Amino acid sequence: EAGVTQFPSHSVIEKGQTVTLRCDPISGHDNLYWYRRVMGKEIKFLLHFVKESKQDESGMPNNRFLAERTGGTYSTLKVQPAELEDSGVYFCASSLAGAGPLHFGNGTRLTVT
Amino acid sequence: EDKVVQSPLSLVVHEGDTVTLNCSYEVTNFRSLLWYKQEKKAPTFLFMLTSSGIEKKSGRLSSILDKKELFSILNITATQTGDSAVYLCAAPPGNNRKLIWGLGTSLAVNP
Repeated sequence: EAGVTQFPSHSVIEKGQTVTLRCDPISGHDNLYWYRRVMGKEIKFLLHFVKESKQDESGMPNNRFLAERTGGTYSTLKVQPAELEDSGVYFCASSLAGAGPLHFGNGTRLTVT
Repeated sequence: EDKVVQSPLSLVVHEGDTVTLNCSYEVTNFRSLLWYKQEKKAPTFLFMLTSSGIEKKSGRLSSILDKKELFSILNITATQTGDSAVYLCAAPPGNNRKLIWGLGTSLAVNP
């Protein structure tokens, strides 16, 4: 079984630019999550999709962040325009329905200069 | 505010040593606590604990939950260099699916 895959693994952009991160969950996993870890801080929840619907987006920092999951398969997280404080590692995770454990991707390291 | 606190933040041991990692929590409507291991990239699932006092075991790793004192421990016996990683503890508040994470314990096992 292929795991959760994220692309790119690393992105370096300038402040004010736009970046789009992609996540392909494990096939058949309806639940998809985005998390972020800023250096020196805990991993923080961003949002949760069930299929194509946003179940909980309470962790999204502000309206510069837009997540989509059209068709209920892969998801994208767009940051526009990027700010310095957006730097960090963005993790995607997926799970089957219910309270099962999350399966994480390797993360995308975003550096905003 | 919901929070998960891990200790120690960092630990250096020699191969063969036994280590105990701690995780305390204050989470609304607590239901479960999860342990993950992060070596280089993706955190990988170790244990999910829901009942107090029942040890979960996988090889040299074991974990137990104390819902009265609000903590969990992760034990690793006869440590190996391959156990070197960051060990993360997390808990979801109530029926919410989002996880509240601790900072992690960075374990280094030296040969």
